[in-house]
Amino acid sequence: DTEVTQTPKHLVMGMTNKKSLKCEQHMGHRAMYWYKQKAKKPPELMFVYSYEKLSINESVPSRFSPECPNSSLLNLHLHALQPEDSALYLCASSPILAGGAKNIQYFGAGTRLSVL
Amino acid sequence: LAKTTQPISMDSYEGQEVNITCSHNNIATNDYITWYQQFPSQGPRFIIQGYKTKVTNEVASLFIPADRKSSTLSLPRVSLSDTAVYYCLVGLLWGGSQGNLIFGKGTKLSVKP
Repeated sequence: DTEVTQTPKHLVMGMTNKKSLKCEQHMGHRAMYWYKQKAKKPPELMFVYSYEKLSINESVPSRFSPECPNSSLLNLHLHALQPEDSALYLCASSPILAGGAKNIQYFGAGTRLSVL
Repeated sequence: LAKTTQPISMDSYEGQEVNITCSHNNIATNDYITWYQQFPSQGPRFIIQGYKTKVTNEVASLFIPADRKSSTLSLPRVSLSDTAVYYCLVGLLWGGSQGNLIFGKGTKLSVKP
């Protein structure tokens, strides 16, 4: 099973709402990632978890709050988002957090988020 | 920090071989070169990875010259379903709280019948 599953596939929320994105993998990977992708732009790294600990936060606003409850799950909690936060949110995992061949990432299909 | 430069777009016809070149002039000694493919509204998908010379798998080949300052992804006999954006990534820079895994702008490949 080389699949990363993201739910929901689509999400529409108001600026005062609180919602969560979920990501799950059962490949035994110990590194997990959140990316944000705007239309016709490359994915931008947001957060990296390694062995369930937050390793990298790419200066993401606090209205985005990641959580890694166990080695298979990654959540992204959303609160008081702005319309410019509308984007495709991608989750990925890799065997470990390292360079070279061990860092091939497997991506989910993403959650399409619209903030009204 | 190894940054990459790729052509913004390329056009091809079905059945042709397509070569996409990526420049990475300041690649570090330990850096690998990795290519991903992305279809609209989907996550990127790993295609191939290499360190030097040539790597081949069932979908593509990757050619890396001795100086490693560039690499070429070769897609044999493309079909319409190969229309996608192709990203070249080099290295994995981790440094305290400022590590990056950088996706460049990518190359949009359009395959025509």
